Amino acid sequence: DAGVIQSPRHEVTEMGQEVTLRCKPISGHNSLFWYRQTMMRGLELLIYFNNNVPIDDSGMPEDRFSAKMPNASFSTLKIQPSEPRDSAVYFCASSLEWNTEAFFGQGTRLTVV
Amino acid sequence: TQLLEQSPQFLSIQEGENLTVYCNSSSVFSSLQWYRQEPGEGPVLLVTVVTGGEVKKLKRLTFQFGDARKDSSLHITAAQPGDTGLYLCAGAMSRNQGGKLIFGQGTELSVKP
Repeated sequence: DAGVIQSPRHEVTEMGQEVTLRCKPISGHNSLFWYRQTMMRGLELLIYFNNNVPIDDSGMPEDRFSAKMPNASFSTLKIQPSEPRDSAVYFCASSLEWNTEAFFGQGTRLTVV
Repeated sequence: TQLLEQSPQFLSIQEGENLTVYCNSSSVFSSLQWYRQEPGEGPVLLVTVVTGGEVKKLKRLTFQFGDARKDSSLHITAAQPGDTGLYLCAGAMSRNQGGKLIFGQGTELSVKP
């Protein structure tokens, strides 16, 4: 298996633009997580899906952020409109079950100017 | 609110020294995972501890889970420059607490030759 695949690896966009981050989890994994990592706040959980259903989105910063998982092999995280303070590395991770090892993608480095 | 407090945040030591990283919480976790992250990559699992009081060893690394399953420690013996990196603890919440995986802020370790 190729592991968790995220795209794009890097994204630079202007303030106010819509940004869509993509994730393909490992086949057969039931849980999918979206995290945001910054120097100041570390690795923050944004949203967690189990069997394609959002279980906990309490970490989503505000209404500008939304996430979907239309099927077991694909998820998106959308920011609209983007702001400079959204600049961070966004990670997607998947795990076989809710409390087993999380496998991370390589992340998307987002810069909003 | 940081559910998992990790300390210290930064640690710079000489090769051959020992060190301990702590991970503390007021919450009980079903398991506690330790990850290591290299620059430009996602975190990679080192070990999972599940039982209160459990001790696991991985070469020069010793991991301990507190009796009450609220805290954990990572001890490195005779640190080497190759141990340099970001170490993260992560707690898996129980199913009825949402089943999510939350991370501490990380410990940036630098081992100088």
